[in-house]
Amino acid sequence: EDQVTQSPEALRLQEGESSSLNCSYTVSGLRGLFWYRQDPGKGPEFLFTLYSAGEEKEKERLKATLTKKESFLHITAPKPEDSATYLCAVQAISSGYSTLTFGKGTMLLVSP
Amino acid sequence: NAGVTQTPKFRVLKTGQSMTLLCAQDMNHEYMYWYRQDPGMGLRLIHYSVGEGTTAKGEVPDGYNVSRLKKQNFLLGLESAAPSQTSVYFCASSHGQGTNTEAFFGQGTRLTVV
Repeated sequence: EDQVTQSPEALRLQEGESSSLNCSYTVSGLRGLFWYRQDPGKGPEFLFTLYSAGEEKEKERLKATLTKKESFLHITAPKPEDSATYLCAVQAISSGYSTLTFGKGTMLLVSP
Repeated sequence: NAGVTQTPKFRVLKTGQSMTLLCAQDMNHEYMYWYRQDPGMGLRLIHYSVGEGTTAKGEVPDGYNVSRLKKQNFLLGLESAAPSQTSVYFCASSHGQGTNTEAFFGQGTRLTVV
């Protein structure tokens, strides 16, 4: 059974205080790892897909990295508008590469 | 470009009532999904479809049925609603196989069963 664990569950940062969110996974045959952002009352919004260990992707203050066991979402000099819940998901051979299995998310709050 | 649209956005049902949630996508995606999101549980897959006329069970399918008669639409039905089905429901779609397999989500339907 595919498992995705995100840590911490919640994170409070001051504006400009850089940090990282962790997503560890146990799957058979990873095809892709996905990061989403979810604002309160909204649906998840796609951020990144990572396909192989060593791959990195960046978007504004966010950078996602992938190893064979985990992924990190690095947030550099965050702003209050970065406050949201960040979700990690995997797509693996167990589902015939058809579905995404999600972690429970990390709730990020950035204070001015 | 509307993306993924869910109808309705809010609904209150009495125990035992039935209802259908509608999901429509305009991106010509092959794959469509229904998830539910509950506090502390994350997103859990209810049913999904890998093409028109096909459906498959996800992690938590009991009490729900689905249909995909048209490629752009994916319906989620509750035949006899129970309080345990109080949740926020999200529909998503994706290209499926090949590149660009990320899923795009609708805005959600908040369902309360009393």
